[in-house]
Amino acid sequence: EAQVTQNPRYLITVTGKKLTVTCSQNMNHEYMSWYRQDPGLGLRQIYYSMNVEVTDKGDVPEGYKVSRKEKRNFPLILESPSPNQTSLYFCASSLHSNYGYTFGSGTRLTVV
Amino acid sequence: TQLLEQSPQFLSIQEGENLTVYCNSSSVFSSLQWYRQEPGEGPVLLVTVVTGGEVKKLKRLTFQFGDARKDSSLHITAAQPGDTGLYLCAGANAGGTSYGKLTFGQGTILTVHP
Repeated sequence: EAQVTQNPRYLITVTGKKLTVTCSQNMNHEYMSWYRQDPGLGLRQIYYSMNVEVTDKGDVPEGYKVSRKEKRNFPLILESPSPNQTSLYFCASSLHSNYGYTFGSGTRLTVV
Repeated sequence: TQLLEQSPQFLSIQEGENLTVYCNSSSVFSSLQWYRQEPGEGPVLLVTVVTGGEVKKLKRLTFQFGDARKDSSLHITAAQPGDTGLYLCAGANAGGTSYGKLTFGQGTILTVHP
């Protein structure tokens, strides 16, 4: 089944403790992207990648890092999480950004 | 920063009524995508429109891309309770250094009452 898999689905952590949210797609897509969704603010793009080793900042990249060492994986790294990074995070992939994205099921992160 | 203004934010209607959701921007997009999201799940792609003036139909849903590729609309005919959900529009960047960037509208929460 074609899908984008994110892990974990739920995560509660403490301020400053480094964490990684994994994202993997099995569709050989070139484009991958991370979003956060907050009430009243909608979906905002954090980082995106157009291919292996090619990444760029979205609208809200501060406090996040990404890497794209393989085509299928696009992990999101929070080096020192803070409470304002509490949010619902989505990873998505696409063959081409014009074609529309397939989204993962989301990761609900709480930073206390 | 590109902005995509989606309206209305909330829509509560009776089964059988028609409705239209709008997405407007001052920026040109290479494509306009519409998604539907259920609570606790990721958005699911409904349609992508690429050509200015393009109209696509998906059963009772009609999607239109403006001639200048700056705006789009979603029209639902004879809405049903199963249409209830969050509808999102998203514009893909037309080119330049931000190629691949996707900007979302704020979303429209649609409730269709039986």
